[in-house]
Amino acid sequence: EDKVVQSPLSLVVHEGDTVTLNCSYEVTNFRSLLWYKQEKKAPTFLFMLTSSGIEKKSGRLSSILDKKELSSILNITATQTGDSAIYLCAVKGGSEKLVFGKGTKLTVNP
Amino acid sequence: GAVVSQHPSWVICKSGTSVKIECRSLDFQATTMFWYRQFPKQSLMLMATSNEGSKATYEQGVEKDKFLINHASLTLSTLTVTSAHPEDSSFYICSTQRTGFGNSNQPQHFGDGTRLSIL
Repeated sequence: EDKVVQSPLSLVVHEGDTVTLNCSYEVTNFRSLLWYKQEKKAPTFLFMLTSSGIEKKSGRLSSILDKKELSSILNITATQTGDSAIYLCAVKGGSEKLVFGKGTKLTVNP
Repeated sequence: GAVVSQHPSWVICKSGTSVKIECRSLDFQATTMFWYRQFPKQSLMLMATSNEGSKATYEQGVEKDKFLINHASLTLSTLTVTSAHPEDSSFYICSTQRTGFGNSNQPQHFGDGTRLSIL
């Protein structure tokens, strides 16, 4: 059965700190790994990773995939209070279905 | 702008009521849409895959007679929770994804979700 594990489950930091969120997975016929940010409503798409070692970057957020280690990290530099959210990692295997992890709840204090 | 529109955003109703939730793909025609459920402090769990013009595919443990899915057009899928009970209270979210030629391995985009509370 496909599985996604995220760590830590919860993280509290101060504005300006850098954070690293982790995602490990077990999936049959891996196709892609996706990161989403969920605030009060539904998740918003951040990144989709398919190839190992290629960093995807968007402003202060970046992510990289390691297919050998079956894992990915999401980095957020110079955190702001607006980064407070639940960050979800999901993987897509042989079908179009996404399997989600439980998420990391990030709280950025002023 | 929004890719997916979901309505209503909040429903409170009595036990035994049937509730219909709509999911519209705004940006593109979607032959496939997905319905998820999220309980408090839990992650998203896929309930079913909605296929335009054919029957939905339900995940193990999801009652198809309880959660009726209709995907009658390329831009609209509906989920009806029939005879809802308090244990059906949850956050229901739909998603769409570009498919077809030239769109292999696209991300899913989510609606804003529907918070369902059954009294």
